[in-house]
Amino acid sequence: AQSVTQLGSHVSVSEGALVLLRCNYSSSVPPYLFWYVQYPNQGLQLLLKYTSAATLVKGINGFEAEFKKSETSFHLTKPSAHMSDAAEYFCAVSKTPGGSYIPTFGRGTSLIVHP
Amino acid sequence: DVKVTQSSRYLVKRTGEKVFLECVQDMDHENMFWYRQDPGLGLRLIYFSYDVKMKEKGDIPEGYSVSREKKERFSLILESASTNQTSMYLCASGAQLLFGSGTQLSVL
Repeated sequence: AQSVTQLGSHVSVSEGALVLLRCNYSSSVPPYLFWYVQYPNQGLQLLLKYTSAATLVKGINGFEAEFKKSETSFHLTKPSAHMSDAAEYFCAVSKTPGGSYIPTFGRGTSLIVHP
Repeated sequence: DVKVTQSSRYLVKRTGEKVFLECVQDMDHENMFWYRQDPGLGLRLIYFSYDVKMKEKGDIPEGYSVSREKKERFSLILESASTNQTSMYLCASGAQLLFGSGTQLSVL
């Protein structure tokens, strides 16, 4: 079975500060890992994904995440927060696809950005 | 522009009603998924489908069924709606889970 733990239901940062959203996973096989963002009243949008290539993955809007197998982590970072980054962020893990992805999601982290 | 379209943004139904939530994708994806989203619980998988007329139970299928008669359309059915099914329902399509905008369902 696979699972995802997102540490902190809320993270608060000042505009211009580093953003760090934590995600740890468990999986019985090499995982595929994802970060999604959800803005108010919208669906989820893919930020980035890890699929066993480079361990440092760059996504949209200046976000990146690093896969660390030894720590079973896939934390999301952004060097400088912007007000428009305020949203809900979800980490997800899926099985190595022999066929298709069936991601399991974490409970989400709400990012709050202060002026 | 590729997209996943959910038929209703907001829906209000009464307890015991049969409810249909529709999802259509225009990308010829084989895989389609239904999730429900509740505060503090994240997204939980209800049902998914890999192909036409094929369906698989997710983590919380009780009280739901699905239909996939055509590749582009995946319907979620609440046979007899209950108040604990009040939630945001999200449809997704494809290997990278392209999501629709969601349907906020309220069961009174």
